[in-house]
Amino acid sequence: EDQVTQSPEALRLQEGESSSLNCSYTVSGLRGLFWYRQDPGKGPEFLFTLYSAGEEKEKERLKATLTKKESFLHITAPKPEDSATYLCAVQLASGGYQKVTFGTGTKLQVIP
Amino acid sequence: GAVVSQHPSRVICKSGTSVKIECRSLDFQATTMFWYRQFPKQSLMLMATSNEGSKATYEQGVEKDKFLINHASLTLSTLTVTSAHPEDSSFYICSARTAKSNQPQHFGDGTRLSIL
Repeated sequence: EDQVTQSPEALRLQEGESSSLNCSYTVSGLRGLFWYRQDPGKGPEFLFTLYSAGEEKEKERLKATLTKKESFLHITAPKPEDSATYLCAVQLASGGYQKVTFGTGTKLQVIP
Repeated sequence: GAVVSQHPSRVICKSGTSVKIECRSLDFQATTMFWYRQFPKQSLMLMATSNEGSKATYEQGVEKDKFLINHASLTLSTLTVTSAHPEDSSFYICSARTAKSNQPQHFGDGTRLSIL
């Protein structure tokens, strides 16, 4: 069964304290892995797409990396405005309508 | 960037009422739209996938007669919750994507539905 697992469930950081969020997956045939940020009461906001092992993407304080089994979202010197729930999702190579499977998210709190 | 607009953002209505939620892609053609339901502190649960001009594909356990989906154009999909009851209260989110391979879904800001 295809699974997407995110860890930790919750993470509390001091402002400026760098850390990483993990998204591990057990799927057969990965077409793409997506990272989203979701603020309370809002829809997810797209951050990155990763397609193949070894790929990296960066945006401001965020950097996403991908291996054959997992992805990391590295947060460098976070600020309070980075507080949100971060979701990863995988898209399989099979599947006629290109469904993605979401992880349960990591709730990040950055304290000033 | 790709913008998806969802309306209304919040609905409060009496049990037995039917509620329609609209999802529009504002600056791209959405070949495929998705409807999700999200419970508190949980991730997104896919309800159905719709392709423009075709019948929606519903996930297992989702009642198609309860949750009517229409995707009549490349920029608009609607979800109608028919004869809503308190157990239908939830946060409903739509997303849209183009036909291009490997493109991400872009999400609306969700609709908070409360059935009294």
